[in-house]
Amino acid sequence: QVQLVESGGGVIQPGGSLRLSCAASGFTFSSCGMHWVRQPPGKGLEWVAFIQYDGNDKYYAGSVKGRFTISRDNSKNTLYLQMNSLRAEDTAVYYCAGIAVSVDFDYWGQGMLVTVSS
Amino acid sequence: DVVMTQSPLSLPVTLGQPASISCRSSQSLVHSDGNTYLNWFQQRPGQSPRRLISKVSNRDSGVPDRFSGSGSGTDFTLKISRVEAEDVGVYYCMQGKQWPWTFGQGTKVEIK
Repeated sequence: QVQLVESGGGVIQPGGSLRLSCAASGFTFSSCGMHWVRQPPGKGLEWVAFIQYDGNDKYYAGSVKGRFTISRDNSKNTLYLQMNSLRAEDTAVYYCAGIAVSVDFDYWGQGMLVTVSS
Repeated sequence: DVVMTQSPLSLPVTLGQPASISCRSSQSLVHSDGNTYLNWFQQRPGQSPRRLISKVSNRDSGVPDRFSGSGSGTDFTLKISRVEAEDVGVYYCMQGKQWPWTFGQGTKVEIK
């Protein structure tokens, strides 16, 4: 079965950096575009970033552009989110997700809490 | 960015009764390929989101047929024909027509 398992979250001071990982299994990871979506505590969903199956195209939300970098290692079936210059408003549960707009493919990880606080 | 606006934000419903959620986009979601990339997601308490419907009205596998989506252009609706206890949660519309993808604020469905 499809599994997406995030890791790397925790508490970080404002201005710091953190890298999230998402280990994928149960599907052909190298053929799928992947996303990061976040959810601040008690609030709604915010789409963060997308990377094409081969890593060639990447898109970001305006709120993270220039600070966050999405990447992938298809040889390791792993998705990454490098987060720099972190702010209090980046505090959220971060989900990795495989969502295809044109086919029946929608899988989400369990989420990983990132807390930015001094 | 495309702004997605949902209403209502809170929806108390009686078990067995229908429910309807509206979603409006700030611009047309019709892509140049002819598809309309409007999705609906459900997030049950304490769980990760899951998609219910893609391209306005296509139910994902395993989604009960009491869920249906409709609409066109900039106005869309998610309907639950008969609400069950397991339908409690927050529902989000999301556009996938252009980057960045954007979600609505969410509609909280609860049982009266």
